[in-house]
Amino acid sequence: AQKVTQAQTEISVVEKEDVTLDCVYETRDTTYYLFWYKQPPSGELVFLIRRNSFDEQNEISGRYSWNFQKSTSSFNFTITASQVVDSAVYFCALRGGGFKTIFGAGTRLFVKA
Amino acid sequence: EPEVTQTPSHQVTQMGQEVILRCVPISNHLYFYWYRQILGQKVEFLVSFYNNEISEKSEIFDDQFSVERPDGSNFTLKIRSTKLEDSAMYFCASRGETSGPRNEQFFGPGTRLTVL
Repeated sequence: AQKVTQAQTEISVVEKEDVTLDCVYETRDTTYYLFWYKQPPSGELVFLIRRNSFDEQNEISGRYSWNFQKSTSSFNFTITASQVVDSAVYFCALRGGGFKTIFGAGTRLFVKA
Repeated sequence: EPEVTQTPSHQVTQMGQEVILRCVPISNHLYFYWYRQILGQKVEFLVSFYNNEISEKSEIFDDQFSVERPDGSNFTLKIRSTKLEDSAMYFCASRGETSGPRNEQFFGPGTRLTVL
């Protein structure tokens, strides 16, 4: 069975703080893909990153960085110097050998000015 | 940049009525999906569609649901007899090649369905 766990339901930070959103996944597939999506208050799903199971290199994109560790089945997401516009729900997701993508429950991030 | 579009953005219907949600996937994509998000909850997979047939579906996708790609561009989700618990945001998504750097799903903006 596949599962994605985002243990943090809500996080509240003050602008310019760094924040890490945790994601732990379970899968029996040897090839799989991990994703992060952002859902702002307007409701759409915005793709942030995709990682495949063979690529454990960490990635940085501007203020965003991702730490993929197969040994702990984690794919954590860090926002550096958070801004109010980062306030949203963030979903971690997993797609294994099949067609469907399994989403975690999401972490709601509040960034206060 | 190409994007997935969905219509309508908001649909209100009476319980027991049929609704059709419409999606136009990205034009050269091969895989099509419907997901649902009940307010405040996580995004749930409903169905995937490839090569003109359902490739995978979840337990949620029962006989009340059907999907169709009636022409080369549209992808529709039909709910035959809506129930109150069908009220949710419905997202369409499409995906291109099976592997490679661009195999993520691109989501449409969603259709909010309200069943009264």
